[in-house]
Amino acid sequence: DAGVIQSPRHEVTEMGQEVTLRCKPISGHNSLFWYRQTMMRGLELLIYFNNNVPIDDSGMPEDRFSAKMPNASFSTLKIQPSEPRDSAVYFCASRPTSGSTDTQYFGPGTRLTVL
Amino acid sequence: QKEVEQNSGPLSVPEGAIASLNCTYSDRGSQSFFWYRQYSGKSPELIMSIYSNGDKEDGRFTAQLNKASQYVSLLIRDSQPSDSATYLCARRGAGAGSYQLTFGKGTKLSVIP
Repeated sequence: DAGVIQSPRHEVTEMGQEVTLRCKPISGHNSLFWYRQTMMRGLELLIYFNNNVPIDDSGMPEDRFSAKMPNASFSTLKIQPSEPRDSAVYFCASRPTSGSTDTQYFGPGTRLTVL
Repeated sequence: QKEVEQNSGPLSVPEGAIASLNCTYSDRGSQSFFWYRQYSGKSPELIMSIYSNGDKEDGRFTAQLNKASQYVSLLIRDSQPSDSATYLCARRGAGAGSYQLTFGKGTKLSVIP
């Protein structure tokens, strides 16, 4: 089975530009998480979806960040406009509906650099 | 606050030794605890979970939990160079917000051949 898929793997953009990160969770997983990882702050939860519905977006830094999950197999995280302090690795993770529901499976991440 | 604290390291141990990684947490309502391993440039990978006080062993790994002291540890026996990675401690609470994992910043482990 394919794991969580993220694209792009690397993104370099200039300040003020729009950035869209994409995630395909593992088939059959009903929970999806977006995280951001930096050296200073570690791994932080940005937003959590359950059955495609945003449940908790309290970790989203500000209005420049938005996330959607139009269906069970696709989610996007958008930053508009981007700023240098948004530079980080962004991970998407999914969790199964049954069985080992405590296990979150992480995608490979998108390394974002905002110049 | 539901913080998780870890020594950032680096922790260096010789090959074959026992590596001991420690983690403390502030929220007494925390129910479940996890250790993730993250190789440089890669994503976190779950290696251990523990839910009750005491020890849990899985191969060369042993997780220890002491809820009274709000302390979690991970022991790696017979450390190998391939164990060199950053180890993230995480906790999950109960009730509302129980879906959320709170991670520590990680301890970098280097196993010296």
